[in-house]
Amino acid sequence: DTGVSQNPRHKITKRGQNVTFRCDPISEHNRLYWYRQTLGQGPEFLTYFQNEAQLEKSRLLSDRFSAERPKGSFSTLEIQRTEQGDSAMYLCASSPGLAGANEQFFGPGTRLTVL
Amino acid sequence: TQLLEQSPQFLSIQEGENLTVYCNSSSVFSSLQWYRQEPGEGPVLLVTVVTGGEVKKLKRLTFQFGDARKDSSLHITAAQPGDTGLYLCAGLGSSSNTGKLIFGQGTTLQVKP
Repeated sequence: DTGVSQNPRHKITKRGQNVTFRCDPISEHNRLYWYRQTLGQGPEFLTYFQNEAQLEKSRLLSDRFSAERPKGSFSTLEIQRTEQGDSAMYLCASSPGLAGANEQFFGPGTRLTVL
Repeated sequence: TQLLEQSPQFLSIQEGENLTVYCNSSSVFSSLQWYRQEPGEGPVLLVTVVTGGEVKKLKRLTFQFGDARKDSSLHITAAQPGDTGLYLCAGLGSSSNTGKLIFGQGTTLQVKP
């Protein structure tokens, strides 16, 4: 399977705990995005990487959130001191970064539930 | 801030009926993508429209990009239960350097047999 993969698919945690999610993009896609989706809504942009450089962060990304893409391949998204409001589906997408439409291909997501 | 408004938010129809989903904005987009999402899964790309006035067909699905590139529509002919899902439009801002997508809130479609 050469699509975008995300792990874990589901995470249940208690308020105050830290969680980390992983995204493996499509090989050789140099653009990687994180989005967050709550029930009944469309995804909202969180952050963007071009290779290993994090070039944009949304205001939605509070200081409890940190993302990395150390070697320009896989990426991790960490949430510290989780709150119930962090419960959502966290989606990763990758793009080849070609000029034009910038089509993005999404992974299956990580469903986070904070109790 | 660029926004995309989708309508309707919910649609429940019988198998065989036709439907149209609209995606509107006051802003111009460089391109617009339509996705379909199943519960518990990520969005799957259906089509990308780039040129104003462009029409693309994917079997029973017809996608149109407005002449001014501010709106788009998805028309499904003779809907089938397998079409059930969340349909999302997503725009690429005309001034975006990063390629981030701005999503509409989605249209939940239920097609009853």
